[in-house]
Amino acid sequence: DAMVIQNPRYQVTQFGKPVTLSCSQTLNHNVMYWYQQKSSQAPKLLFHYYDKDFNNEADTPDNFQSRRPNTSFCFLDIRSPGLGDAAMYLCATSAWWTGVYNYGYTFGSGTRLTVV
Amino acid sequence: DAKTTQPTSMDCAEGRAANLPCNHSTISGNEYVYWYRQIHSQGPQYIIHGLKNNETNEMASLIITEDRKSSTLILPHATLRDTAVYYCIVGQAGTALIFGKGTTLSVSS
Repeated sequence: DAMVIQNPRYQVTQFGKPVTLSCSQTLNHNVMYWYQQKSSQAPKLLFHYYDKDFNNEADTPDNFQSRRPNTSFCFLDIRSPGLGDAAMYLCATSAWWTGVYNYGYTFGSGTRLTVV
Repeated sequence: DAKTTQPTSMDCAEGRAANLPCNHSTISGNEYVYWYRQIHSQGPQYIIHGLKNNETNEMASLIITEDRKSSTLILPHATLRDTAVYYCIVGQAGTALIFGKGTTLSVSS
């Protein structure tokens, strides 16, 4: 089945040690998103890629970076994780081309990040 | 700022219809209403969306008022597996979705 896969499901990292979360998709969707969800809060959009075009939310800290080497993969890099970055990180995809729009996002199961 | 207002929580008996309201009084003409739900420890799941007309799919029905300032998501026969946080989101097609706080629906037997 076509899907969005996030690895790993759980990630423990040390305070200040760079960490990378990965997302892959088999849907051939051209838009990919990263959301951060802290405990008992709604998902918060960090940034998204429309094809190769990177779109950063204004309040996303510089500590968070992203890479999208090809259509299928997208990475979230946290350069110096702090205790406040502990959260579930959700990857999602959608399809949007001129005149065609897949209205539903497909989300991965998320990566739960713990910072120690 | 959130574009939608939803009750924090709702309860529903198993087998009964769950009606989840959402206010979006500042919605603009080209903005859609989307509904997603998130079961504990999983990623959100798309349910349904609409612009002006009422919509129905295999999961739910979406009723949008004529002035488009509010809507209701209807789960016709709620089951225990429908216990989740339900998010009502307003946005233009092709723009990134911004989640609000959502409604926690608890379905009990």
